[in-house]
Amino acid sequence: GESVGLHLPTLSVQEGDNSIINCAYSNSASDYFIWYKQESGKGPQFIIDIRSNMDKRQGQRVTVLLNKTVKHLSLQIAATQPGDSAVYFCAEIFSGNTPLVFGKGTRLSVIA
Amino acid sequence: GAGVSQSPSNKVTEKGKDVELRCDPISGHTALYWYRQSLGQGLEFLIYFQGNSAPDKSGLPSDRFSAERTGGSVSTLTIQRTQQEDSAVYLCASSGTGTGQETQYFGPGTRLLVL
Repeated sequence: GESVGLHLPTLSVQEGDNSIINCAYSNSASDYFIWYKQESGKGPQFIIDIRSNMDKRQGQRVTVLLNKTVKHLSLQIAATQPGDSAVYFCAEIFSGNTPLVFGKGTRLSVIA
Repeated sequence: GAGVSQSPSNKVTEKGKDVELRCDPISGHTALYWYRQSLGQGLEFLIYFQGNSAPDKSGLPSDRFSAERTGGSVSTLTIQRTQQEDSAVYLCASSGTGTGQETQYFGPGTRLLVL
């Protein structure tokens, strides 16, 4: 079936470096995507979203890139900090205000 | 309230007992979702309420699971005759006016352990 997946389950980066977390989606009809950050013992926290009519969106230290041609989504974190250590999930919505379809997540570990 | 709240934060129960988990969505949000997250896994959709429409129950894993939403606000997820495989974090999310694709905001979750 259709699914959202992540290329790498774990990612370790040095403090201060940039991080890139990738996500592949298979439903070409999906038109809204969200990145969530989940720290240990907490619920997912919204980071940034992007709609399919855009290919890039920037927030504070984060950038989401959407490549609809290859159905690929990425989250870039600039100047990664220890507080960025968490599991990151991408999620897609097929249509309307429907349930999110989540990937399994990537664990980001920041090395001080 | 300022965010989605859930209670209890932790629940330990014995196999075969019933449990009720509560979710208070963000005030004014019309859509409410329940998800389940098993250890080290992603989120699995359970059930979805939108306004006064019939809920989408397509994600409920068995008939032991049910949920209701009273007055279009607070929701309760009930698990009857709990099994050890029900142990997980149960997450609730809400989103805005239901006019289109909107961000879902999550609560902190209820950690359920079935002994």
